[in-house]
Amino acid sequence: NAGVTQTPKFRILKIGQSMTLQCTQDMNHNYMYWYRQDPGMGLKLIYYSVGAGITDKGEVPNGYNVSRSTTEDFPLRLELAAPSQTSVYFCASSYAAAEQFFGPGTRLTVL
Amino acid sequence: QKEVEQNSGPLSVPEGAIASLNCTYSDRGSQSFFWYRQYSGKSPELIMSIYSNGDKEDGRFTAQLNKASQYVSLLIRDSQPSDSATYLCAVKLNTGRRALTFGSGTRLQVQP
Repeated sequence: NAGVTQTPKFRILKIGQSMTLQCTQDMNHNYMYWYRQDPGMGLKLIYYSVGAGITDKGEVPNGYNVSRSTTEDFPLRLELAAPSQTSVYFCASSYAAAEQFFGPGTRLTVL
Repeated sequence: QKEVEQNSGPLSVPEGAIASLNCTYSDRGSQSFFWYRQYSGKSPELIMSIYSNGDKEDGRFTAQLNKASQYVSLLIRDSQPSDSATYLCAVKLNTGRRALTFGSGTRLQVQP
C-alpha cells in the first residue's frame, strides 16, 4: 500500500494564479483532511470530508475549495493565490475521526 | 485559551534521560488523544494513541492521560538523538467537528 500520496511536492505560484493539490489514499478510509502548516506552527484544518460527496469547513477554509467524488481522492483547489497561502499543505486520512495518517506534503510558495 | 496547548520548547535533554512532554486541552468532554512526531521537513507520524485515564506504554514511549485535570503527556525513556523532533499533541474535541485539533507542538532536542 502506498498510503496517502500527494502531488506535486513543490510548487511556486504567482499571485492570482490557481492550482489544484492532489491527494489520494489507498487504505479505503472514509475520512480525509487537508491541513496547512506555517513555519514553526501547528496544523490548521482547512477542509475535511467524512465520505464521498460530503465535505465540511475547518478552521481556515477561506480561499480554498474541495470536492470528494470518490473514496480515494480529495483534491484541494486554490483560487486566486495570495502570499498568505504560502505554506506546507498536508493531506491525511482515517477510519472515522481517529488515528490520522498523513501524506508527505506539498510545499507551496506564492510570489 | 487555545483548545490544545503545548509548550513550544525547545526542551533539551541529555542522551539516555527521560523526556517529558505535556499537553492541556480545553474541552472536558474530549475522548481521544494522540501523539505525533514530526521531523523537520517531514509529515507528522503517529506514535501513540490513548483513550482512557492512566498510562499506556509502547516500547520507550508512555502516554499518560488525566481527564479530570485535562492533560495528556508523553514520556520518552532512554532518549536518543534520533528522538529529536517536534511532538504534536492532537485531541478529538467534543465540538461536533469530526477531525482532530492539533497543538502547535513541542520541539525536543536530545543532546549526545
